[in-house]
Amino acid sequence: DIQMTQSPSSLSASVGDRVTLTCRSSQSISTYLNWYQQKPGKAPKLLIYAASSLQSWVPSRFSGSGSGTEFTLTISSLQPEDFAIYYCQQGYSAPPVTFGQGTRLEIK
Amino acid sequence: QVQLQESGPGLIKPSQTLSLSCTVSGGSINSGHYYWTWIRQPAGKGLEWIGRIHTSGSTNYNPSLKSRVTLSIDTSKNQFSLKLSSVTAADTAVYYCAREAVVGGWYYFDYWGQGTLVTVSS
Repeated sequence: DIQMTQSPSSLSASVGDRVTLTCRSSQSISTYLNWYQQKPGKAPKLLIYAASSLQSWVPSRFSGSGSGTEFTLTISSLQPEDFAIYYCQQGYSAPPVTFGQGTRLEIK
Repeated sequence: QVQLQESGPGLIKPSQTLSLSCTVSGGSINSGHYYWTWIRQPAGKGLEWIGRIHTSGSTNYNPSLKSRVTLSIDTSKNQFSLKLSSVTAADTAVYYCAREAVVGGWYYFDYWGQGTLVTVSS
């Protein structure tokens, strides 16, 4: 199985901050990496696929990058609605599909 | 707009079989470009992929659950289903159904159901 490790596990930040979340895979997955946003009591929502392609609903302050084993999700200027848990997921090899453990982004 | 909706019992006893269905609306389940997937999330924890099914009948299961999981699909009802046998308290979770799109070689979960909480307790 491909292990996905996210860092940090939690992050406190303020509105307007620039933040970067990291996801690492246990082996190379090219750009087969997706990011999801989950708010309390809701299903995850696809944010970014193929490491850097934004879903149509996603504001341009979000960006994704990386390839191989290291990936980042950057939010250029945090907005109140961005506070959530973010998960990465590898789409390179299945079964099984695997997710990172999540990064909780909290308001400072 | 594609929508997925899980349905099934919210409470089952240990050793019983968990049975959930997912009804797809706003689009046909009978497309070759998608896998139909189950994912679960214990309270306060991360996401665990259970397995997926294609309309061809092809299935893939998480090896950690494979011996207990069966997925099926009913294209006439635009519905797919999960059965998980011999449940224990460790199977208590919110269960999501999701559509996994296959686009240009990339796979991603683009639509999700709202999730249904299943509690295993006597």
